Amino acid sequence: DAGVTQSPTHLIKTRGQQVTLRCSPKSGHDTVSWYQQALGQGPQFIFQYYEEEERQRGNFPDRFSGHQFPNYSSELNVNALLLGDSALYLCASSFSSYEQYFGPGTRLTVT
Amino acid sequence: AQTVTQSQPEMSVQEAETVTLSCTYDTSESDYYLFWYKQPPSRQMILVIRQEAYKQQNATENRFSVNFQKAAKSFSLKISDSQLGDAAMYFCAYREWSNYQLIWGAGTKLIIKP
Repeated sequence: DAGVTQSPTHLIKTRGQQVTLRCSPKSGHDTVSWYQQALGQGPQFIFQYYEEEERQRGNFPDRFSGHQFPNYSSELNVNALLLGDSALYLCASSFSSYEQYFGPGTRLTVT
Repeated sequence: AQTVTQSQPEMSVQEAETVTLSCTYDTSESDYYLFWYKQPPSRQMILVIRQEAYKQQNATENRFSVNFQKAAKSFSLKISDSQLGDAAMYFCAYREWSNYQLIWGAGTKLIIKP
């Protein structure tokens, strides 16, 4: 049974560009959450998707958007990249509101 | 707003010894969950243990146990018989019963000395 998978592993973008990160949840899970983890800090909640809708959002600007597909996989999109968006982006899946299982993350570097 | 505080940026322990990591949190809610996650250099966040606030009994998972003091809003993690593979960042996290986001502490780096 595959766990949570994320792609790509690493990504380098230039300021002002747009990026899409992808996440496939653990089998049987229907909920996907996204977190941003800056170097040396704890993760910060971006948003959660359930039944293809954004169920809850953290304190992030509208440049951060997402999507959940009928197969429960999810995308995180970030527009107009800033240097401060450089971070590890973690995806977590769960069954409804139960405990969250994390993927290995995508390391985004903005230059 | 809820906050989670981990006051120990780094801890070290001799292999086979016991170490305790501290976590305090601030909330006005009575129903919530608390978690300890481990993040090794591979970056993947791994759930170590969870505690429901309504349970008085402290959670235990093999060599990992917690000391949950609800009135003091304290949730420490005890690791017994420390092993080299326990070396990692440890994060304490909080979630309200009816909320979905995890709120995280800043983490404690655990070093195991052979």
